[in-house]
Amino acid sequence: AQSVTQLDSHVSVSEGTPVLLRCNYSSSYSPSLFWYVQHPNKGLQLLLKYTSAATLVKGINGFEAEFKKSETSFHLTKPSAHMSDAAEYFCVVSQGVPGGSQGNLIFGKGTKLSVKP
Amino acid sequence: EADIYQTPRYLVIGTGKKITLECSQTMGHDKMYWYQQDPGMELHLIHYSYGVNSTEKGDLSSESTVSRIRTEHFPLTLESARPSHTSQYLCASSEFGTGLSEQFFGPGTRLTVL
Repeated sequence: AQSVTQLDSHVSVSEGTPVLLRCNYSSSYSPSLFWYVQHPNKGLQLLLKYTSAATLVKGINGFEAEFKKSETSFHLTKPSAHMSDAAEYFCVVSQGVPGGSQGNLIFGKGTKLSVKP
Repeated sequence: EADIYQTPRYLVIGTGKKITLECSQTMGHDKMYWYQQDPGMELHLIHYSYGVNSTEKGDLSSESTVSRIRTEHFPLTLESARPSHTSQYLCASSEFGTGLSEQFFGPGTRLTVL
């Protein structure tokens, strides 16, 4: 069975400093992995997704994530935080099976990112 | 413009009332989903659909029901609302494919049952 663990419920950084949001996954098969962002009172927006084509995935707004199979991790990073990055971030694994149609998504508990001026 | 819509955005209602949360998408997606999200918590899948006349229960048990009569429309109904139903409900859609299609989310309906 697939599962995802976000290691920090809250991360606080200063504007202009690097961001690291940690995520570990568990999957019986080659997983599909995603990072979604949720701003207050808004729907979820896809930041990036792991497609197995490249282990380093670049997303929108300067975010990227690296898939590390040996560590079962998919941490989200950004070199320099901006005030507008303050939001809730969800690491997600697809509950898929080999050869099957798209599985459903399993969400982590979320990491709230605060950005201080 | 292709998008996914939810109405109402906010709903405050008394116990025992019947409510329907609307979700529509104009992206031509076959697969649609309903998630429930309590404040500060992760999303839990409560219903999904592969296409017209298809409805499935999700991972989290829910007293709500859904229907899929048209591809673009996936309403969720609570026959008798209770305070325990207070939550945010998010609708999503995706292409029906082999695993890597992203899900597109609506803005959500925040439901409060008094």
